[in-house]
Amino acid sequence: KAGVTQTPRYLIKTRGQQVTLSCSPISGHRSVSWYQQTPGQGLQFLFEYFSETQRNKGNFPGRFSGRQFSNSRSEMNVSTLELGDSALYLCASSLQGKENTIYFGEGSWLTVV
Amino acid sequence: SQQGEEDPQALSIQEGENATMNCSYKTSINNLQWYRQNSGRGLVHLILIRSNEREKHSGRLRVTLDTSKKSSSLLITASRAADTASYFCATGTGANSKLTFGKGITLSVRP
Repeated sequence: KAGVTQTPRYLIKTRGQQVTLSCSPISGHRSVSWYQQTPGQGLQFLFEYFSETQRNKGNFPGRFSGRQFSNSRSEMNVSTLELGDSALYLCASSLQGKENTIYFGEGSWLTVV
Repeated sequence: SQQGEEDPQALSIQEGENATMNCSYKTSINNLQWYRQNSGRGLVHLILIRSNEREKHSGRLRVTLDTSKKSSSLLITASRAADTASYFCATGTGANSKLTFGKGITLSVRP
């Protein structure tokens, strides 16, 4: 069974641009969540989607958004990029999101210059 | 905000020794999960322990949970150089996939 797949793995963007990251969950998993990891703030929850609906949201500005498709694949978008958005963005999936093991992908490294 | 606090922040041991890492958290939880992260890579799930469980084993890993003290420990026995990584505890509090992570412990295993 394939794990959580994230694309792209690495990308460099300029301040003010926008970026879209993609995540394919483990087959059969309907819950997809996103996390941001930085040296200063550590791992922080961005949002969770379940059956195409946002079920939970972390404390991030509206520039961070996401969506989930009917096949459970998910995308997250960051608009008007700032230098501080440079981070490792991790996608995670779980079977139903209820006390289940949560599996992470390899992440997308975003550098904003 | 961080829910968990891992202790110690860094640990250096010799191959073959045991490594014990501790995690404390602040609120009531449904479960606690431990993850490993190698430099620049994603998180690898190690073990999940539910709030009604006290101890779980998986290979060389042993996890305990004390909900009265709001703390958990991860023991890695007979450590190997390949165990060198950062280790995180993460707590789940509801019927969703939101995890709250600690700052992590850097484990170095010297060959």
